[in-house]
Amino acid sequence: AQSVTQPDIHITVSEGASLELRCNYSYGATPYLFWYVQSPGQGLQLLLKYFSGDTLVQGIKGFEAEFKRSQSSFNLRKPSVHWSDAAEYFCAVDRSGSARQLTFGSGTQLTVLP
Amino acid sequence: NAGVTQTPKFQVLKTGQSMTLQCAQDMNHEYMSWYRQDPGMGLRLIHYSVGAGITDQGEVPNGYNVSRSTTEDFPLRLLSAAPSQTSVYFCASSSGASPNYGYTFGSGTRLTVV
Repeated sequence: AQSVTQPDIHITVSEGASLELRCNYSYGATPYLFWYVQSPGQGLQLLLKYFSGDTLVQGIKGFEAEFKRSQSSFNLRKPSVHWSDAAEYFCAVDRSGSARQLTFGSGTQLTVLP
Repeated sequence: NAGVTQTPKFQVLKTGQSMTLQCAQDMNHEYMSWYRQDPGMGLRLIHYSVGAGITDQGEVPNGYNVSRSTTEDFPLRLLSAAPSQTSVYFCASSSGASPNYGYTFGSGTRLTVV
């Protein structure tokens, strides 16, 4: 079945440490790829997106993600985590390319230790 | 402020009651959609619309109805609420007009069915 997998349910890092959140998808073609962040009680905010071109994309809040076709992955990274980054992160794909359907991963909860 | 507005923010229903979750956007976006968020499952698409008068089913449409009479509004109706519909509901919109489209999410409606 076509799906989006975020293998890490919960990640804990210390403030100032680097971060990598994993995302794998299982579609035949390259879909449109997104990372969203959700703070407690809030809606989803777009961090970054990839459609084509340069496989390393920059987003807001110092986040970046790298698309690797050979691994069907779109991992999210940040060199130095801030306490305000504590939130839940969702990887999503739009395989239709027509803004009709987003398929989400199950999310990764990030805890940041002082 | 421009964006997606959802009302109400919280709602408690008794089993068998009906209600409508409201969603409005002021960005003149063609595409609108409804998702539900359940713990450990990410967001799942309920229904979507590609323009006024056009709707279609998503991944989990059973128990929900939608209509789109205007570009701005996309209400979600529960005709006979069930405890399995306890969830957080998000409305989203997108222009979908170019590869640079992005989704804008509302802040959500937390629904409890008792």
